[in-house]
Amino acid sequence: DQQVKQNSPSLSVQEGRISILNCDYTNSMFDYFLWYKKYPAEGPTFLISISSIKDKNEDGRFTVFLNKSAKHLSLHIVPSQPGDSAVYFCAFSGNTGKLIFGQGTTLQVKP
Amino acid sequence: GAGVSQSPSNKVTEKGKDVELRCDPISGHTALYWYRQSLGQGLEFLIYFQGNSAPDKSGLPSDRFSAERTGGSVSTLTIQRTQQEDSAVYLCASRPGTSGYNEQFFGPGTRLTVL
Repeated sequence: DQQVKQNSPSLSVQEGRISILNCDYTNSMFDYFLWYKKYPAEGPTFLISISSIKDKNEDGRFTVFLNKSAKHLSLHIVPSQPGDSAVYFCAFSGNTGKLIFGQGTTLQVKP
Repeated sequence: GAGVSQSPSNKVTEKGKDVELRCDPISGHTALYWYRQSLGQGLEFLIYFQGNSAPDKSGLPSDRFSAERTGGSVSTLTIQRTQQEDSAVYLCASRPGTSGYNEQFFGPGTRLTVL
């Protein structure tokens, strides 16, 4: 019973263009939504988050969008840079902080 | 300041042996989590410690898995009678405060291989 799905296992984007990563969820009790980035042989690092009372949060090149009616979360990176190449995980939380992760999307940004 | 550290970074063991994985959280962080990532999978929640409260063990896959957190700091994840399906990267994370809305800081993980 997967509560979180990242349907695209990989994404390839040209440097300077927009990267859009998507995540769908089923549990309407989630109230905090996060994106983590992971390089090989390292632990995930926090990227950006959004609470359920908002529909958009922006931090520099990174913007997270939340569509609660569609139970859909997305991350936009613009402009994409080669250093953004990594695995991106969406994660969802209730008030315990316990995170439910998606399966990850491997982003490759080509120079 | 120091981040979350984990040891060993790699562990190779034979099926049936017990293993212990260690996590040193960021000093002062009251919440500590264990996750694992199997090959090609996302991160799977295992167990959660918050202060002196009873841990949330709802993610432990079997009774061969247990964890302790001594003195509210260091945590040890123990896997008894390891099986090949236990092979994964085991990740520890810590979080400050009691609010659920702080980000978690992850360690580099321990890669466990069960032969």
